[in-house]
Amino acid sequence: GIQVEQSPPDLILQEGANSTLRCNFSDSVNNLQWFHQNPWGQLINLFYIPSGTKQNGRLSATTVATERYSLLYISSSQTTDSGVYFCAVERLDTGNQFYFGTGTSLTVIP
Amino acid sequence: DAMVIQNPRYQVTQFGKPVTLSCSQTLNHNVMYWYQQKSSQAPKLLFHYYDKDFNNEADTPDNFQSRRPNTSFCFLDIRSPGLGDAAMYLCATSRVGSRPGYTFGSGTRLTVV
Repeated sequence: GIQVEQSPPDLILQEGANSTLRCNFSDSVNNLQWFHQNPWGQLINLFYIPSGTKQNGRLSATTVATERYSLLYISSSQTTDSGVYFCAVERLDTGNQFYFGTGTSLTVIP
Repeated sequence: DAMVIQNPRYQVTQFGKPVTLSCSQTLNHNVMYWYQQKSSQAPKLLFHYYDKDFNNEADTPDNFQSRRPNTSFCFLDIRSPGLGDAAMYLCATSRVGSRPGYTFGSGTRLTVV
């Protein structure tokens, strides 16, 4: 399967700070999603972004498919942003499986 | 709202006693997935159904089985739960060729005593 590595593994931010999370993948992909897992375990879809750049409020994401990485930007972080952020990738020629990255655990302190 | 629903939210089962977790969807997605997520780890794909076609991951233990009686429902059966099977079990759906990709349920947290 595809190897998906995320960095950093852990991140602690002061409320109001900005951050960049990175996702590297080992092979070309057809789909990529960013998820936020809240403390109750719910996985919330943030972005569906196989390529290009998207923005949603304080969050934005960029995927450079040719260089096999994606970035998630969080600006003006809030305590509610705490949780684990996962990227997941899919290759259609290997079946309909999404492979999850290792995750970044974010803690935002007031 | 169209969604993916998992029941129950929390499940406690005895060591070795069969247990079934359920997932239903109103999205009319043709693919349904089961993931296992242990503490501080990424979700790990167990298997998925593409319509009625069952696809098992190579490293999924035989102790785990699945059924999909119709488009809307999918079940995860654990035949003889061990202590190592305690985890969050996540169901997800997708429709091939559509966006935005996966939709996840809220998960079932399984405790084995």
